[in-house]
Amino acid sequence: QQQVKQSPQSLIVQKGGISIINCAYENTAFDYFPWYQQFPGKGPALLIAIRPDVSEKKEGRFTISFNKSAKQFSLHIMDSQPGDSATYFCAGWTSGTYKYIFGTGTRLKVLA
Amino acid sequence: NAGVMQNPRHLVRRRGQEARLRCSPMKGHSHVYWYRQLPEEGLKFMVYLQKENIIDESGMPKERFSAEFPKEGPSILRIQQVVRGDSAAYFCASFTNSGTEAFFGQGTRLTVV
Repeated sequence: QQQVKQSPQSLIVQKGGISIINCAYENTAFDYFPWYQQFPGKGPALLIAIRPDVSEKKEGRFTISFNKSAKQFSLHIMDSQPGDSATYFCAGWTSGTYKYIFGTGTRLKVLA
Repeated sequence: NAGVMQNPRHLVRRRGQEARLRCSPMKGHSHVYWYRQLPEEGLKFMVYLQKENIIDESGMPKERFSAEFPKEGPSILRIQQVVRGDSAAYFCASFTNSGTEAFFGQGTRLTVV
């Protein structure tokens, strides 16, 4: 019940294309869903996050779509750029437990 | 990211030796997490600490691993009698009391030879 399932494991997109990464969760106690971006040799950094009372959140080229009834959420990267090439992790968080449960990650490569 | 300091960045240990990984959280942060990342895999929760307290160590192996976050000084993740399977990147993250954003350090890459 604690798992967050993430797909695909890897993704190759042409420059200018749309990158889509999906996550599904089981724990209905999660009340915060962040996406973290990790470049090689670096620690993950928060990219964008959403709470379950909102169905969509957009920040620049990055959008989270959230479907509470399906217990799924996704990250869309519009106009993907080579600089977006990184590993992306979704996560679930429950207030009070102070514990992130991360997905297994998606390695995105954007071709120039 | 640069605010959470981990050292060393790279650590090589022979099988059976001890590995000691240090993490200094961002100023004002009193919650520290340790995660392990195996090559090509995700981030696995190990332990959650507040100053002088272990809050949740459900992800930590029962033997050889220990963690502390003393009143003064950095948080320490200690691995005794390391084995090859301990080779991984170990990340520390810190939070404020009221925050939900995890600030990660750059990690310590442990190689056991």
